[in-house]
Amino acid sequence: DSGVTQTPKHLITATGQRVTLRCSPRSGDLSVYWYQQSLDQGLQFLIQYYNGEERAKGNILERFSAQQFPDLHSELNLSSLELGDSALYFCASSLEGASGNTIYFGEGSWLTVV
Amino acid sequence: GQQVMQIPQYQHVQEGEDFTTYCNSSTTLSNIQWYKQRPGGHPVFLIQLVKSGEVKKQKRLTFQFGEAKKNSSLHITATQTTDVGTYFCAGGNSNSGYALNFGKGTSLLVTP
Repeated sequence: DSGVTQTPKHLITATGQRVTLRCSPRSGDLSVYWYQQSLDQGLQFLIQYYNGEERAKGNILERFSAQQFPDLHSELNLSSLELGDSALYFCASSLEGASGNTIYFGEGSWLTVV
Repeated sequence: GQQVMQIPQYQHVQEGEDFTTYCNSSTTLSNIQWYKQRPGGHPVFLIQLVKSGEVKKQKRLTFQFGEAKKNSSLHITATQTTDVGTYFCAGGNSNSGYALNFGKGTSLLVTP
């Protein structure tokens, strides 16, 4: 158990819909990361927050947004969903925000868009 | 932007054979990390390398960081079925801000 909690574990929704994925980081970790994992693209970095502020941005679509709240939990919002958005979405956390920190992954949220 | 590439994409070995996966970056890295993801699981941190030419060992696993800090390798000696999974390298540098960029991973299958 990494200490990173993600909900929901599985989600099936229709195209055009909007979903919210939730993440609670490990106790004491200030930085949260979101990654998308699909079969053909591997682990794609989406976005990182540190202590409530956006720290780094990766290949995140404009239809996607995220935020980190004062209690440090984070949410990833996916809107106007398309079939291609079906993937495993990982949240991860680290103590600080530097690239040298160990990243601890949650178990992921499986999103299926039908 | 920075790209991290891994080869091979897949590797199938007999138990007891050695295995190596290679990681190459388009830019110089400040550090490189390796993760293992078991089938159906999530990536789990294995090790971090920071220094040029650094070599670290964990039992049967040997990790190397190239002299130019642009490549790395993971070598497993005498594979076991418990080594099955996907091995990811992830590199970070000032160009990527604070985030790690992951390679696409090498999926290792070990048959008894």
